[in-house]
Amino acid sequence: SAVISQKPSRDICQRGTSLTIQCQVDSQVTMMFWYRQQPGQSLTLIATANQGSEATYESGFVIDKFPISRPNLTFSTLTVSNMSPEDSSIYLCSVEWGSGRNIQYFGAGTRLSVL
Amino acid sequence: GQQLNQSPQSMFIQEGEDVSMNCTSSSIFNTWLWYKQDPGEGPVLLIALYKAGELTSNGRLTAQFGITRKDSFLNISASIPSDVGIYFCAGQGIQGAQKLVFGQGTRLTINP
Repeated sequence: SAVISQKPSRDICQRGTSLTIQCQVDSQVTMMFWYRQQPGQSLTLIATANQGSEATYESGFVIDKFPISRPNLTFSTLTVSNMSPEDSSIYLCSVEWGSGRNIQYFGAGTRLSVL
Repeated sequence: GQQLNQSPQSMFIQEGEDVSMNCTSSSIFNTWLWYKQDPGEGPVLLIALYKAGELTSNGRLTAQFGITRKDSFLNISASIPSDVGIYFCAGQGIQGAQKLVFGQGTRLTINP
């Protein structure tokens, strides 16, 4: 499987500020995904990030709040903008990997607390 | 949107017992996946299922893709302490989409 590194692993932020989360993969991948996992909850897809095109956002998530960059096939960033305590969650990056039957593999996540 | 109903939400068992959990959906999936998430970590893939009726094992874990393509189960035999964690089912492939839809998770606690 691909090795996925996320930075930072955790952060505590003040209300109204923004945080950019980085996701680095050790192989070139076409599909990268960003998920949110609220405390004690399951994973919810925020957006799909494809290199060379705008990210595709899921219902309930907008680009102004969660801007995403995908400058190349091994890297992506997710920014959580103008944060509020409700944004306190784990943010996870995943990549689709494998020949033929592509499977999503996840990074360890970024644990965000907003005060 | 699509939803997966995963049950049970939590399980408290004795070490050595067998475990069974399942997911159902109102929609058809082309792929069923089972992940395990440990505290402070991202989900780790346990088993992937690609065909209706497929039964696949990974050590003490066994999972099946339901014939209707709307359900899947995961069994763990002879549980050990390291099985503790949250297990998620995920479906993929509705209407050609590659995104995953996750179940609510099953939290497994093992009493030694």
